[in-house]
Formats: sequence, structure tokens, C-alpha cells
Amino acid sequence: QVHLQESGPNLVKPSQTLSLTCKVSGGSITTDDYYWSWVRQQPGKGLDWIGYVSHTGSTYYNPSLESRVTISVDTSKSEFSLKLTDVTDTDTALYYCARTYDISTYWFFDVWGRGTLVAVSS
Amino acid sequence: VVLTQSPATLSLSPGEGGTLSCRTSQRSTSYVAWYQQRPGQPPRLLMYDAGNRAPGVPDRFSGSGSGPDFTLTISSLEPEDVATYYCQQRSNRPLFTFGPGTKVDFK
Repeated sequence: QVHLQESGPNLVKPSQTLSLTCKVSGGSITTDDYYWSWVRQQPGKGLDWIGYVSHTGSTYYNPSLESRVTISVDTSKSEFSLKLTDVTDTDTALYYCARTYDISTYWFFDVWGRGTLVAVSS
Repeated sequence: VVLTQSPATLSLSPGEGGTLSCRTSQRSTSYVAWYQQRPGQPPRLLMYDAGNRAPGVPDRFSGSGSGPDFTLTISSLEPEDVATYYCQQRSNRPLFTFGPGTKVDFK
């Protein structure tokens, strides 16, 4: 079955750029039925959708983060990436990648990575 | 678009049933999804389209409702059900929003 694995630095300095990658294995990243999302969870808090990308590179972002976020896909490597610029301590969170079905009237996030904790600190 | 969940914490005895509520600020919401997050684990899809169980989800979980009120019912609490449960909705744009969660634990 499809497996997602996040990777990237666990510590980022304030004002710098957070960069994470999600490797997709066990299935194709190029399926038309799915998008590829990033979701974060600040310590002790709930879940926030950051945005998603299609295999063709179409992106949709949460307006609350849109000015700082870029999500991209590299189908040759079967992975997608997150960049979040100008980070502050409020960006400290557990970052998950997730497969998202979003076709017609149906949608859900059915496969999740285990998450990677990123701390913003000098 | 805002989701509210109640109660914040639901304490049940083993084998007891309980109901979790999710209310959307968008009455036109046609359905919500529900996720279970056990401590130290990523979220897991439980229900989509309000009442459809995801593969592998036990039938003691059931979902129902239509905008703005949705419910997730656990018919008989098992130890592995101790978790936080989140509802989620999608609005146009697209924009996915999660509720604040209901923590289910043992009484």
C-alpha cells in the first residue's frame, strides 16, 4: 500500500526557510485521483491544512499561510516538497504529509506520513 | 468557515457508547470527514461523506448528519479507541478545515 515519509531539518532559525520533502512509495504519485497535502500540528494543538499539489504541479494553499508557502512536486523522484519562508516560533510544529482524494463531491485524507517535528529556534 | 466540536473531552467506561458532535458554520456543508489520532500517532481516516467508514474501520464507529450538524458515534468503547477525534470540512477554493477535536478517554 502507499507509504509516505517526511524528511528534512528538525531545527530552523527564525526568519529562515523551512524545507521538507515527502517521499511516496508503494504507489504512483502521478494518479489523477489524488492530491498531495501538507498538514501541521502545533504542540498540543489541532490540525491545520497548509496546502496541496497535484502531480501536474497545480497548487492550492491555505490563505492564512499562502504568502509564505510553496508546495512543489517532483514526479521523477516520486516526492513532493514544502517550503515555508520567514519562519517564527509559531511555525514550530509536527508536519505531516498526506494523500488527499478530492474529486467531484468526495474528498478525504486517507494516507498519512508519521510526521516530522520542526522547531524554530535560534 | 469554523468547525466546533463537543464535548471537548468524553470520558467513557469500557464497553460504553458515546456520541461526538461537530457543527459547521457553513450550513451548506454537505458532509464532513472524521479522523482518529491516537497519542503519538498520525491522524487516521475514520469516516468520509459523513457516514462512510474508511477501509479497516470497525463497525462500532458510525457517522451521520448534514449541515450544520454531524455526529460520530462509538457504540462500545475499546481500549484502542482512546484518542482525539477531529472532524474536517472542505469549502470552495479549496480550503480544508479541521475542528478543535474531542478527546475520548476512559472514565
